[in-house]
Amino acid sequence: SQQGEEDPQALSIQEGENATMNCSYKTSINNLQWYRQNSGRGLVHLILIRSNEREKHSGRLRVTLDTSKKSSSLLITASRAADTASYFCATDARREGGSNYKLTFGKGTLLTVNP
Amino acid sequence: DSGVTQTPKHLITATGQRVTLRCSPRSGDLSVYWYQQSLDQGLQFLIQYYNGEERAKGNILERFSAQQFPDLHSELNLSSLELGDSALYFCASSPREPDTQYFGPGTRLTVL
Repeated sequence: SQQGEEDPQALSIQEGENATMNCSYKTSINNLQWYRQNSGRGLVHLILIRSNEREKHSGRLRVTLDTSKKSSSLLITASRAADTASYFCATDARREGGSNYKLTFGKGTLLTVNP
Repeated sequence: DSGVTQTPKHLITATGQRVTLRCSPRSGDLSVYWYQQSLDQGLQFLIQYYNGEERAKGNILERFSAQQFPDLHSELNLSSLELGDSALYFCASSPREPDTQYFGPGTRLTVL
């Protein structure tokens, strides 16, 4: 089953508006990452937030993490048409009974920013 | 450009065939990850190698296998292909684990 689940599945906004995407996960994590994917292309890393951090900023991106609720949100401010893409959260959790790590992706939020 | 290269970009083959996908990680990255992305299953982790050794396994079918060579490039072998194997296959690399993963452009496999 998916560790991270993004919400909403799709989001359509106008240029200049803010976009908020949420991610929920099930098990304890070491860190949570957000990636972006333009249609049919490879994923691009946006930001990583560690389990002991609550908020992180990078340019127009703001990520929050609430480990008590097992959830994270990605806010893109002043959106642009070029922000149109799918956004994925990925959790990096210690595997059961071992020290190996596995990055698990959600199914993504498709963001469309209309000019 | 992430620095991760994958070949080929596109692959069209028939059911029952075998193909090999190749990945070259970023210079200096020791970890290589393989993912399969399809419309119905989303992005699924297949397998990870670290400095030549298998480190973690995900939803990888027995018909699929992978290896990482001494020069750190990796190959994913898919055999007895089925229609449902049609997907985008991504390779990613990272300098250590856990860490940011850098994705290649992907190989689009179409099984007819």
